[in-house]
Amino acid sequence: DSGVTQTPKHLITATGQRVTLRCSPRSGDLSVYWYQQSLDQGLQFLIQYYNGEERAKGNILERFSAQQFPDLHSELNLSSLELGDSALYFCASSVLPNTGELFFGEGSRLTVL
Amino acid sequence: AQSVAQPEDQVNVAEGNPLTVKCTYSVSGNPYLFWYVQYPNRGLQFLLKYITGDNLVKGSYGFEAEFNKSQTSFHLKKPSALVSDSALYFCAASSYGDDKIIFGKGTRLHILP
Repeated sequence: DSGVTQTPKHLITATGQRVTLRCSPRSGDLSVYWYQQSLDQGLQFLIQYYNGEERAKGNILERFSAQQFPDLHSELNLSSLELGDSALYFCASSVLPNTGELFFGEGSRLTVL
Repeated sequence: AQSVAQPEDQVNVAEGNPLTVKCTYSVSGNPYLFWYVQYPNRGLQFLLKYITGDNLVKGSYGFEAEFNKSQTSFHLKKPSALVSDSALYFCAASSYGDDKIIFGKGTRLHILP
């Protein structure tokens, strides 16, 4: 158990809908990363927060947004969903940014029908 | 832009033989390099990292990796493979001052009994 909690574990929704994925980092970790894993694209970096502040942005679509709250949990919001958004979304946390030892949650599997 | 390449989608090795999983990287500045492993239906687990110091880094489960600056490579190695090493392996990179951690597409390692 990594100590990182992601909910929901599975989510099935329809095109055009909006979903929110939630991540609780490991106790004491200030940095949260979001990644999208799909079969053809591998593990794509989306966005990273440190102590509530956005620090790095990757290939995150404009339809997607995220935030990290004062209690350090993070949410990834996906809107106007398309079939291609179906993927496994991982959250990872670390004590500090850029130290590299990320602790990953088990992921949220999103299926868009 | 940072990038990580894992040239082999799959590597097959007989149990007891040495294994190598290849990784090359492109970052600006001094690289921070990492290896992670993913078992089916699980999040990624940290194996080892190179930040500075010895080019040969030792990690979990008997794995090690060799940093080669001139070849911009960070290959993962193990002297004697176990069937339980079969999994998906990811190489990742970042650099000093950049909070993004970019992953390669992954290499599936099959250890044949």
